[in-house]
Amino acid sequence: GAVVSQHPSWVICKSGTSVKIECRSLDFQATTMFWYRQFPKQSLMLMATSNEGSKATYEQGVEKDKFLINHASLTLSTLTVTSAHPEDSSFYICSARGPSGGGNEQFFGPGTRLTVL
Amino acid sequence: SQKIEQNSEALNIQEGKTATLTCNYTNYSPAYLQWYRQDPGRGPVFLLLIRENEKEKRKERLKVTFDTTLKQSLFHITASQPADSATYLCALINNDMRFGAGTRLTVKP
Repeated sequence: GAVVSQHPSWVICKSGTSVKIECRSLDFQATTMFWYRQFPKQSLMLMATSNEGSKATYEQGVEKDKFLINHASLTLSTLTVTSAHPEDSSFYICSARGPSGGGNEQFFGPGTRLTVL
Repeated sequence: SQKIEQNSEALNIQEGKTATLTCNYTNYSPAYLQWYRQDPGRGPVFLLLIRENEKEKRKERLKVTFDTTLKQSLFHITASQPADSATYLCALINNDMRFGAGTRLTVKP
């Protein structure tokens, strides 16, 4: 089946530093990847939609200069949280739209727990 | 504004019983509706997809119904097992994908 990986699985950083999270589709090509953020006991909130070779589309209220997304290849998208602050601490999850015929099925990565001190 | 509500934050049932989870939505016309399972600290795992023109879908012990008039989907797990304990999310898809907050199911032995 389609597998999506994320790296790192968790990261702790100091306030003001930047953190890069990688999302890879391991056995299929993903023209579209999605980045979500999930706070405890809350729903997944879509942050941005990332298309290979073009600029990401950000949801309302998500700062594109703070959350930099790069979708450089059909199997890799990166999210960089710049100048992270404690309020950015959250669970970040990526997903990739599945192979053709999936009916809009998305495959999710295992998530990255970011803690900003 | 668009709203997706899942019936309760938590649901506790006895092993062997049928668990029924509800997903209601307003101000939305999804083309598809999906159900996902999420374990603590993990990403969601896809379970079932149902299209707007389908009434019911089954997969092993799972059954999903979709009523576009009531704007509601029901998710059933029959013969529930402790291993079914997890948070279950409904997701509505049209041009984008929106998730409900989830229902945390606990199946007690």
